[in-house]
Amino acid sequence: DGGITQSPKYLFRKEGQNVTLSCEQNLNHDAMYWYRQDPGQGLRLIYYSQIVNDFQKGDIAEGYSVSREKKESFPLTVTSAQKNPTAFYLCASSMTGTGFHEQYFGPGTRLTVT
Amino acid sequence: QKEVEQNSGPLSVPEGAIASLNCTYSDRGSQSFFWYRQYSGKSPELIMFIYSNGDKEDGRFTAQLNKASQYVSLLIRDSQPSDSATYLCAVTDSNYQLIWGAGTKLIIKP
Repeated sequence: DGGITQSPKYLFRKEGQNVTLSCEQNLNHDAMYWYRQDPGQGLRLIYYSQIVNDFQKGDIAEGYSVSREKKESFPLTVTSAQKNPTAFYLCASSMTGTGFHEQYFGPGTRLTVT
Repeated sequence: QKEVEQNSGPLSVPEGAIASLNCTYSDRGSQSFFWYRQYSGKSPELIMFIYSNGDKEDGRFTAQLNKASQYVSLLIRDSQPSDSATYLCAVTDSNYQLIWGAGTKLIIKP
């Protein structure tokens, strides 16, 4: 089955700790994305990558970091510098990053920081 | 600032009726338009995409695009209770990144 997997589904952390969210896809897509969703709001882009070993900041990159060492994998680290990290995090991929290919989403990771 | 606007709802529609969801966008350079459905606690699921002015039909769903007026709509015919969800409109900007609306919550009443 082709798709996008994210783990874990739920994650709880204490303030001041870094945490890494996993995202893997076997769709052979070139582009991958990380979004954050807060209640009642639209998706906001954190980082995106159009090709291996290259990525760009989205609208809300501060306090986050990513890597793209393999085409299939795009992990997101939420650092202690992120002021309000509690949110629903969504990973997506698309065939290319041209905007003419639809994005498909993983199941999401719900992060709670206390 | 590039924006995508949707009425937050909730929009309540009787079962079997047509649900009409609307979305307006600010970037005249937008070329790709997407509708996603999101059930509570789940991730968004692609329903339809449209690139050209006019209508595009897929089963019970019809997407309508009017670039001159900068709006895109989604019609759901013969609405079912399983259509109850939040519908997200997404539009590509001039840099090919998706700009998302906050979504319209649709409730189909049996």
